Amino acid sequence: NAGVTQTPKFRVLKTGQSMTLLCAQDMNHEYMYWYRQDPGMGLRLIHYSVGEGTTAKGEVPDGYNVSRLKKQNFLLGLESAAPSQTSVYFCASSYSMRMNTEAFFGQGTRLTVV
Amino acid sequence: DAKTTQPNSMESNEEEPVHLPCNHSTISGTDYIHWYRQLPSQGPEYVIHGLTSNVNNRMASLAIAEDRKSSTLILHRATLRDAAVYYCILRNTGANSKLTFGKGITLSVRP
Repeated sequence: NAGVTQTPKFRVLKTGQSMTLLCAQDMNHEYMYWYRQDPGMGLRLIHYSVGEGTTAKGEVPDGYNVSRLKKQNFLLGLESAAPSQTSVYFCASSYSMRMNTEAFFGQGTRLTVV
Repeated sequence: DAKTTQPNSMESNEEEPVHLPCNHSTISGTDYIHWYRQLPSQGPEYVIHGLTSNVNNRMASLAIAEDRKSSTLILHRATLRDAAVYYCILRNTGANSKLTFGKGITLSVRP
């Protein structure tokens, strides 16, 4: 059971380049989340999804887009990367909020934009 | 979303109990209290959660005040591996409920 898998683990981008981060979960979870974490800070929610085909904005959505075409995958896109998007990105998933169960996190993607 | 307040840091000695406090004075009746921790260079991991009654699991205990405006995460016997950032989070059962993290409390464990 792999849990939550993030791809890639590390990436260096040049300013203006685009990329997509992939989050995959094998637990049949409804909810999925994307966070970013900057040094010395807690996690900040970028976007989240409460089910296949649905997405919603979190605290810091600007500069990012997401898609949830399949239940098991949640993609985070950067259309034109900026140095301010240098961060560690974490994906998480959980069952429906009504069950109020735990969220499972991936190991993170360390992104550097130069 | 209701907010939580935690001290920035705490130190403990190995093999001693640790009590990590959290204040949440604006908690609503449908908010559950969740605790997560984040070990260095890892993603957060679930520790425990509760609504009104105290809870125990293999990792920790959660003591919830009678008025629910505060709670305490208890590690019964700290180990060096427990050194981490601990996040206290309120989470309700609404359809669009989010998991919102604050800065957490950094726990250091002395050998």
